[in-house]
Amino acid sequence: QQQVKQSPQSLIVQKGGISIINCAYENTAFDYFPWYQQFPGKGPALLIAIRPDVSEKKEGRFTISFNKSAKQFSLHIMDSQPGDSATYFCAASNRGSTLGRLYFGRGTQLTVWP
Amino acid sequence: GAVVSQHPSWVICKSGTSVKIECRSLDFQATTMFWYRQFPKQSLMLMATSNEGSKATYEQGVEKDKFLINHASLTLSTLTVTSAHPEDSSFYICSARDVRSSYNSPLHFGNGTRLTVT
Repeated sequence: QQQVKQSPQSLIVQKGGISIINCAYENTAFDYFPWYQQFPGKGPALLIAIRPDVSEKKEGRFTISFNKSAKQFSLHIMDSQPGDSATYFCAASNRGSTLGRLYFGRGTQLTVWP
Repeated sequence: GAVVSQHPSWVICKSGTSVKIECRSLDFQATTMFWYRQFPKQSLMLMATSNEGSKATYEQGVEKDKFLINHASLTLSTLTVTSAHPEDSSFYICSARDVRSSYNSPLHFGNGTRLTVT
């Protein structure tokens, strides 16, 4: 059972546009929501993370929006660039999960056209 | 920043042989490391949680005798794929969190090992 559901599976955006990736979860015990970026042949790298006590977190062109009541969170990439082309994974964990284990979404392959 | 080094980055082996993959935390200590497997264009599948000084915890469906995990020190965990077969070909990734950090602190990933079994 997928603990974190992610959509879309793939996304094509024009350079300068906004990329939006959505995730949803059911486990209300989740209280840490990171996003990871992965380039081909590399391991994932932490991009940005949010805790449920805030509704939005922004770091440069990357913003996480969090809706606790809807149990949804999303990643917005403003002014998308070709260098942003990668696979993005949302994830979640909670205090009770095994040693901070992360539950990952299925990933979104983002392609930004120049 | 925290670095997790994984070695080798790629390996080709013959069917029936064993392959060892190392995962090291270079500038922090980790009592727990996670091992993932990733198929092309798919998500990361947690295989097992490696615990320093004790037995690893395997996810359901993962063969303990096939994927041997050893976490001998606070900076090194190894995954040995025993009697490898072509279906074991995959991208294996380890991750670790600083022992001083809480559960909701960054999890750092290695760059993965591409295993090809011929």
